[in-house]
Amino acid sequence: SQQGEEDPQALSIQEGENATMNCSYKTSINNLQWYRQNSGRGLVHLILIRSNEREKHSGRLRVTLDTSKKSSSLLITASRAADTASYFCATDAATGNQFYFGTGTSLTVIP
Amino acid sequence: DTEVTQTPKHLVMGMTNKKSLKCEQHMGHRAMYWYKQKAKKPPELMFVYSYEKLSINESVPSRFSPECPNSSLLNLHLHALQPEDSALYLCASSTGTAYSYEQYFGPGTRLTVT
Repeated sequence: SQQGEEDPQALSIQEGENATMNCSYKTSINNLQWYRQNSGRGLVHLILIRSNEREKHSGRLRVTLDTSKKSSSLLITASRAADTASYFCATDAATGNQFYFGTGTSLTVIP
Repeated sequence: DTEVTQTPKHLVMGMTNKKSLKCEQHMGHRAMYWYKQKAKKPPELMFVYSYEKLSINESVPSRFSPECPNSSLLNLHLHALQPEDSALYLCASSTGTAYSYEQYFGPGTRLTVT
């Protein structure tokens, strides 16, 4: 069964705007990762946040984690057309040695 | 070299064929993974190799047979596949063998079963 649900499923914004996508999961985790996938290609790791961290930044990316709500968000600031891709969260379950990707958010940035 | 390579890029096979997918990394990573991804769906973990030994098999049908000949190579042998097995097959590797490490993905092999 899938661990993570992402919201929204699809998001379309103008270049320069910020994009926020959310990931909710079901069981306790050790860490949560975000990946980007350009159409039909391999995934690229963006950021990893551990269960004892609340926020992490990497360039234009900001990730938050709320373990009490079992949710995470990815914020991309000042979006570019090149940010057009699908974004997936992935969770490392605290028990059961399980690793699941969320359902994904398809982001379109309009030039 | 921070690249994971996969061959072939595309593969079309009949249901009675036997074929293999190949994955290679030269980053010294100790864990390697096979994923299956259907269109507009997230990747699903199939197999995990840790130090060249199969550590996780996510209840994958026996028509998929993984092999790790050495620490840099990972194969996925395919036999008697079904049309529903058509998908993008992704290989990944990571430094460590737990899921606390970022995974480096190859570009995938797009498989079509006819």
